[in-house]
Amino acid sequence: DGGITQSPKYLFRKEGQNVTLSCEQNLNHDAMYWYRQDPGQGLRLIYYSQIVNDFQKGDIAEGYSVSREKKESFPLTVTSAQKNPTAFYLCASSIGGWVTTYEQYFGPGTRLTVT
Amino acid sequence: SQQGEEDPQALSIQEGENATMNCSYKTSINNLQWYRQNSGRGLVHLILIRSNEREKHSGRLRVTLDTSKKSSSLLITASRAADTASYFCATNTEEETSGSRLTFGEGTQLTVNP
Repeated sequence: DGGITQSPKYLFRKEGQNVTLSCEQNLNHDAMYWYRQDPGQGLRLIYYSQIVNDFQKGDIAEGYSVSREKKESFPLTVTSAQKNPTAFYLCASSIGGWVTTYEQYFGPGTRLTVT
Repeated sequence: SQQGEEDPQALSIQEGENATMNCSYKTSINNLQWYRQNSGRGLVHLILIRSNEREKHSGRLRVTLDTSKKSSSLLITASRAADTASYFCATNTEEETSGSRLTFGEGTQLTVNP
């Protein structure tokens, strides 16, 4: 089965703790993305990576960090510096490309609750 | 403000009716895409339309693009209760630094009543 997996589906953390969200794809896609979605709103881009060992900040990167050491994996760390981390986090991948874009394939999402 | 803005924010129709959602954007694009999201799930890609295309069809879906007005519409014909979901437009701009990134709108919540 090809696709994108995110784990866990639900995650609970105490304020002040860092937490890492997992995203794995076996689609052989070069590009991967992390989005944040708040209730009733659209997706906002946190970080994206167009190739292994490279990544760029999106629109709301503050308080987040990523790594891209393997083509199939793009973990997102929500640090204690993120002031309002409770949200639904979505990972996606695409064939990639530096000039244009193709359709993105999304994982099922991780709902993070920080109290 | 948003690159892509959908209109209306919410739409409620009866099964069998057509549903039309609109998307407006601000800067020149390479392509525009429509996605669907069922509650609490990931997004699913529906259609990609390139800047040199005016209309595309896929099953019961019809997408139009008017680059002079910087707008797109998604038409779902003969709607079904299973079409109930949020629909998002997403744009890939012509900016050199944008690469493969997309900018999503706020979405239209479609409810199809049986």
